[in-house]
Amino acid sequence: GENVEQHPSTLSVQEGDSAVIKCTYSDSASNYFPWYKQELGKRPQLIIDIRSNVGEKKDQRIAVTLNKTAKHFSLHITETQPEDSAVYFCAASQAGTALIFGKGTTLSVSS
Amino acid sequence: NAGVTQTPKFQVLKTGQSMTLQCAQDMNHEYMSWYRQDPGMGLRLIHYSVGAGITDQGEVPNGYNVSRSTTEDFPLRLLSAAPSQTSVYFCASSYPQGLSTGELFFGEGSRLTVL
Repeated sequence: GENVEQHPSTLSVQEGDSAVIKCTYSDSASNYFPWYKQELGKRPQLIIDIRSNVGEKKDQRIAVTLNKTAKHFSLHITETQPEDSAVYFCAASQAGTALIFGKGTTLSVSS
Repeated sequence: NAGVTQTPKFQVLKTGQSMTLQCAQDMNHEYMSWYRQDPGMGLRLIHYSVGAGITDQGEVPNGYNVSRSTTEDFPLRLLSAAPSQTSVYFCASSYPQGLSTGELFFGEGSRLTVL
């Protein structure tokens, strides 16, 4: 089955800096790669996703890149703000299956 | 729409007891799944369903049963609770988009403690 590795497990940045979180997956048939943000005590919520026919996707300060050959994808957050502090999860899936998540990255943005 | 509704939000069990976590969605989503969240372990898939009458095992299925008799409901049963099942449980649903799973919508979570 699919296995998703996520790094780093914790990340501390200063407000205004960029943050990058990286994930690798094992199943070459996976074609959907979302990123979820979970604030303390809340449920995870989708922030951005990418499908295998796209190499990069951007939404304001966040972007995701996908390298299917290397089986890895990354989340980039620019101009970080204190409200970006949360746990971020990457995930992967293919048609007919459920999402498999990485172990998460705790991002702390200090002002 | 209420979205994904989980009950109960909190539960304390004794070792060996059984219980059912309820999950219902009103978005006519085909896919439903159960995850457990433990510190440092992320969200681990327990069981999932791609439609009524169809269920499949995830990463950590032992000790749990599911059924999907309707599109709306996907209950998770703990057969004989163990302390290792102390966790926060999330139910989620999605509507597949083409060949991909689609955005997952999560319930608020159920915090289970097994003594």
